[in-house]
Amino acid sequence: AQTVTQSQPEMSVQEAETVTLSCTYDTSENNYYLFWYKQPPSRQMILVIRQEAYKQQNATENRFSVNFQKAAKSFSLKISDSQLGDTAMYFCAFMNLPEYGNKLVFGAGTILRVKS
Amino acid sequence: GAVVSQHPSWVICKSGTSVKIECRSLDFQATTMFWYRQFPKQSLMLMATSNEGSKATYEQGVEKDKFLINHASLTLSTLTVTSAHPEDSSFYICSAREGGYSNQPQHFGDGTRLSIL
Repeated sequence: AQTVTQSQPEMSVQEAETVTLSCTYDTSENNYYLFWYKQPPSRQMILVIRQEAYKQQNATENRFSVNFQKAAKSFSLKISDSQLGDTAMYFCAFMNLPEYGNKLVFGAGTILRVKS
Repeated sequence: GAVVSQHPSWVICKSGTSVKIECRSLDFQATTMFWYRQFPKQSLMLMATSNEGSKATYEQGVEKDKFLINHASLTLSTLTVTSAHPEDSSFYICSAREGGYSNQPQHFGDGTRLSIL
């Protein structure tokens, strides 16, 4: 079974600075998908960024980028120019292929607080 | 973008009653919907996978008779918590995936806070 590990329960960053959230996962599959979701205090789950394992290029969405290291099974999220609205719980998630159910497996989450 | 509506957002009821939660995909067809449970400051735990027109697939440890799932159309799945008790109090979130493209991300509803007195 796949597992996702987020080793940082809580992090803080000053507004406008850069922060990196770590995520490692364990799988025996070669093709899969990885996601970062954001859950603000409103508790709505918001997709931040996604990465397909067969793509070597790291995904980027505006201020959000990932460092995908397939061999190391690492998928970290970098937030540049942090804003107060980035304060939220961030979940790293793994999704397997259709033949394995396409289920999302979430990490335990990292609470990120952006300070002014 | 893809919108998933979940209703109600908050429900308080007495122990022993049944509660139905609806999950609707508003602007796309969802062959597959998922139901999660989340405790405060914890991760989302998948309860079951709901497929349109067929029986739901439950995760290990989830009571099928306690959590009834119906996915009668391509835009609606319902979760009924039967004979709810205080230990069923939690935050329930649904998600939906567009059509048959299984590599599409899941789109989440806003969740339902269930409190059983």
